[in-house]
Amino acid sequence: KAGVTQTPRYLIKTRGQQVTLSCSPISGHRSVSWYQQTPGQGLQFLFEYFSETQRNKGNFPGRFSGRQFSNSRSEMNVSTLELGDSALYLCASSLDRRGQETQYFGPGTRLLVL
Amino acid sequence: AQTVTQSQPEMSVQEAETVTLSCTYDTSESDYYLFWYKQPPSRQMILVIRQEAYKQQNATENRFSVNFQKAAKSFSLKISDSQLGDAAMYFCALGGDTGNQFYFGTGTSLTVIP
Repeated sequence: KAGVTQTPRYLIKTRGQQVTLSCSPISGHRSVSWYQQTPGQGLQFLFEYFSETQRNKGNFPGRFSGRQFSNSRSEMNVSTLELGDSALYLCASSLDRRGQETQYFGPGTRLLVL
Repeated sequence: AQTVTQSQPEMSVQEAETVTLSCTYDTSESDYYLFWYKQPPSRQMILVIRQEAYKQQNATENRFSVNFQKAAKSFSLKISDSQLGDAAMYFCALGGDTGNQFYFGTGTSLTVIP
């Protein structure tokens, strides 16, 4: 069974631009979570989608948004990019939305904002 | 509030020796799950081991085992017969029953010395 895939793997953007990252979960997984990883803040939860609905959201500004499609694929969007948005963005999928399910992570998208 | 603390930013171990990584957590939930993830330089997060809080028996996976002390809210990872491929950042994570948000510690960087 294929793992979680994320595209693109690397991105370079400039301040003020917007970016869309994509995540394809493991087949059969309905929950997709997004995390931001930076050296200073570590792993921080962005949001979680289950059955096309956002069920949980972390403490990030409204510039960060996401959505999930009927095939469980998910996208996250960051508008008006800031230098501090440079990070590794990780997507994780699981069977269900409850915290008891193991989350399987993708390879991440490394975003650099100049 | 749910928190995860890893007090050892860096650890090192001789090849073939045993090392223990520490993790403490705090949660108000009665049903929760604990995980250790490994993140090698390739940046892909890989599940090492998981523990259900309702189980008294410590989880084991080949050379990896945990010491789960529920009353003390402690969840340490023991790596036996350390191998060069074990070198990575190790994250302790807490998953609860409300939503699918994982809480991560700040990580322990493990170096394996040949």
